[in-house]
Amino acid sequence: DVKVTQSSRYLVKRTGEKVFLECVQDMDHENMFWYRQDPGLGLRLIYFSYDVKMKEKGDIPEGYSVSREKKERFSLILESASTNQTSMYLCASKTGADYGYTFGSGTRLTVV
Amino acid sequence: GDSVTQMEGPVTLSEEAFLTINCTYTATGYPSLFWYVQYPGEGLQLLLKATKADDKGSNKGFEATYRKETTSFHLEKGSVQVSDSAVYFCALSHFLTFQGAQKLVFGQGTRLTINP
Repeated sequence: DVKVTQSSRYLVKRTGEKVFLECVQDMDHENMFWYRQDPGLGLRLIYFSYDVKMKEKGDIPEGYSVSREKKERFSLILESASTNQTSMYLCASKTGADYGYTFGSGTRLTVV
Repeated sequence: GDSVTQMEGPVTLSEEAFLTINCTYTATGYPSLFWYVQYPGEGLQLLLKATKADDKGSNKGFEATYRKETTSFHLEKGSVQVSDSAVYFCALSHFLTFQGAQKLVFGQGTRLTINP
């Protein structure tokens, strides 16, 4: 089975800190995605990447950046964390030829 | 832009009850439609999908039919179990780029609780 691993289940950071969320997949998938999940809003796309060093903005990229230096790893960066970035962050990957995403278990980030 | 609307939750049912979770969408063209499930403490898992009008997706006793005339993809199960307690997300997708990157647009999720 494809595995998508997010490095932390829970994180607590201070306002203004630079925060790195890491995601690794083990099935050579081309496409990787970062979503945030908030109650009543469902999942919203932050950034996605369809190849190494390639990235595209999603619906809510403000305050975030991403890095994809290797095919298996896709990092989400909060340049200066703010309290409104407190959320559940979900990473996903997929191949180009298949419709199904594989999601990680999520990182619950609290910014205080 | 594309959007997905799900019925308001939470939904609470007794074991063996019939389940319907409504989902309607707004989209241009012919999107693919999905139901994802999120069990407590876990990421989302694909439950079922349909890629064209009148297709029926099914898995684990759940079913949903792609109805283009009503722009709907309602999730149904004839007899729910306690283990079906989870959050259910309806979603649609379009291909974004020639590389095949595919953006999923999610509904807000419906929390389902099944009591024994």
